[in-house]
Formats: sequence, structure tokens, C-alpha cells
Amino acid sequence: DAKTTQPPSMDCAEGRAANLPCNHSTISGNEYVYWYRQIHSQGPQYIIHGLKNNETNEMASLIITEDRKSSTLILPHATLRDTAVYYCIVRARRQSNDYKLSFGAGTTVTVRA
Amino acid sequence: DSGVTQTPKHLITATGQRVTLRCSPRSGDLSVYWYQQSLDQGLQFLIQYYNGEERAKGNILERFSAQQFPDLHSELNLSSLELGDSALYFCASSVGMDIYNEQFFGPGTRLTVL
Repeated sequence: DAKTTQPPSMDCAEGRAANLPCNHSTISGNEYVYWYRQIHSQGPQYIIHGLKNNETNEMASLIITEDRKSSTLILPHATLRDTAVYYCIVRARRQSNDYKLSFGAGTTVTVRA
Repeated sequence: DSGVTQTPKHLITATGQRVTLRCSPRSGDLSVYWYQQSLDQGLQFLIQYYNGEERAKGNILERFSAQQFPDLHSELNLSSLELGDSALYFCASSVGMDIYNEQFFGPGTRLTVL
């Protein structure tokens, strides 16, 4: 799976949009970009995923650059409950059906009132 | 609430002991994954089952084993426990076994080995 690079931490003001960057410059054509988050000591929570088109759901938007080497997760109106570690993960379709998630260090996002 | 349940929530035991962690996947999900999260290692994949069969192994020690039962619940058995096995253990499930099947995580079992 392609490696990802995320900033270790970022702050965001409550009510403002939070833009979380992720670099995945070695991504290949069949690899998807997934985002999960983990609120302190809880199980990771799926947010969104995409291949090459921008995606939006009730939680967030995912913007993938045309060359697919980077992406941005957008939380449109951050709340205090969005304080968490956010993980950007690149997953490949495998012949072995090995679809584990490989978590890196993620970005610790702190939403401040 | 993800729909994935794990028991127990907390477990405290001594070195050398054996424990069993239980996971019930979301209704309809056939795949179960186990992950370990310790302070110094982050979230690490341990093992994956699909419809009762082992499908992939990660960084799982030989002292650890798992299985998925016909009713699709899964158990992770940890034996000869060491201090370093203290961690959060998460179970996740997904409906299938393909790349676009997102995984839903349970609340975890916190294991403390004294």
C-alpha cells in the first residue's frame, strides 16, 4: 500500500471548516484513499473514501487532486466533538483479499471553542 | 454506535495467564478483523476472518489465536500474557471482503496485564 504523510497536529476553531491534508505521492491507479478518525480511546470511525472523484457524505467531503498524489478531508463546520486523531489510509485491491487497514500516526485535530 | 459489540470492556489479569476477547460483528457482516493498539505501536492489524475462514494475518504473535464461529462472532485468544500485551484490542467488521467495504469498529477491550 502507498504510504501517506499527514501533519502531526492542527487546531481548528469551532464552527469553521477544517481542512486536513494528506500526501500520497506513490499512490497507484487501483488504490483508494480512506479516512478514519479515532476519538480518544474509542474505536476508529469510518468517515469517507474515494478513488479519483471528489466525494461528499453527511460527515465530510474528500477532495482528491487530479494527479491523485494528495487529498484533503474537509469537515465543513467543525464542532468540539470532532476533536480526534484523523487517519488517511491508502488501500489497494489485493489478489490475496488482504484488506486490512494500515494506520499511520494520523493528524491530531483539536477543535477550540 | 457502529453495531459491532465487544466484551469485556476492561480486563485486568496477570502475566502468564490466558484471556479470551469476544466480538460480535454488525448484522449481515461476514468479515471480522482484529487490531491491537498500544501506546508505542499505534493501531496494528492482527488477523482477518471471512465467513469462518482465516483470510489474512498481520503482526499476530504465536501466543495469540483467533477464530470465527458459524454465527459469525469471533474470539481472540491471548495466552502466556506478558506486560507488553497490555493494549486496546479492537474488532472491526465489514459486509464483504472487498476494498470498498468500509470497516466498522467496536468500542474495544482494554487489556491490562500486571
